[in-house]
Amino acid sequence: GDSVTQTEGLVTLTEGLPVMLNCTYQTIYSNPFLFWYVQHLNESPRLLLKSFTDNKRTEHQGFHATLHKSSSSFHLQKSSAQLSDSALYYCALSYNQGKLIFGQGTKLSIKP
Amino acid sequence: DAAVTQKPRYLIKMKGQEAEMKCIPEKGHTAVFWYQQKQSKELKFLIYFQNQQPLDQIDMVKERFSAVCPSSSLCSLGIRTCEAEDSALYLCSSSQHSSYEQYFGPGTRLTVL
Repeated sequence: GDSVTQTEGLVTLTEGLPVMLNCTYQTIYSNPFLFWYVQHLNESPRLLLKSFTDNKRTEHQGFHATLHKSSSSFHLQKSSAQLSDSALYYCALSYNQGKLIFGQGTKLSIKP
Repeated sequence: DAAVTQKPRYLIKMKGQEAEMKCIPEKGHTAVFWYQQKQSKELKFLIYFQNQQPLDQIDMVKERFSAVCPSSSLCSLGIRTCEAEDSALYLCSSSQHSSYEQYFGPGTRLTVL
């Protein structure tokens, strides 16, 4: 079946360093939508990025990701981490405007 | 940002009791989804409605939950007999027709004692 894999459960970084959170997926559908959602403590998930187009970089709020269908990946990156980036990050897959299939989530902890 | 409302925010039930939580989707959104999140872990899909009709749901929902959307402005998720393993944050999301973007409500945190 369809699945999303986030290999890191916890990523701890010092403020100012670059961020990269991994996301790979499996699906039989050739045109999936990929998303990154961010969930701050005691809040609900909020859409951060989305992409449908192969090899096109998408950016929002300093974060960026590129969907690579050849490697089934949609890694999240940011050039310089901020304390306020500390949160749970979920990669998710969708098709046919249906349910979101989430990865296990990566907790990003930024230290001063 | 979209405004999906969920009530109540917190719910405490004893094992064996019935639980019900409600979701008011964003105005104009035709799709409503329910997800379960345990201890800030993986978000698990439960059920999906399009124009108030259930289109997809997992087996657990069929067996122990009740979910309806009697109107485009109100949906509910119920648990017929609560079990300890049902303790979780229940998140409702909605999206517009032909859109892939889902907007989440604040959630209902259920604790089963």
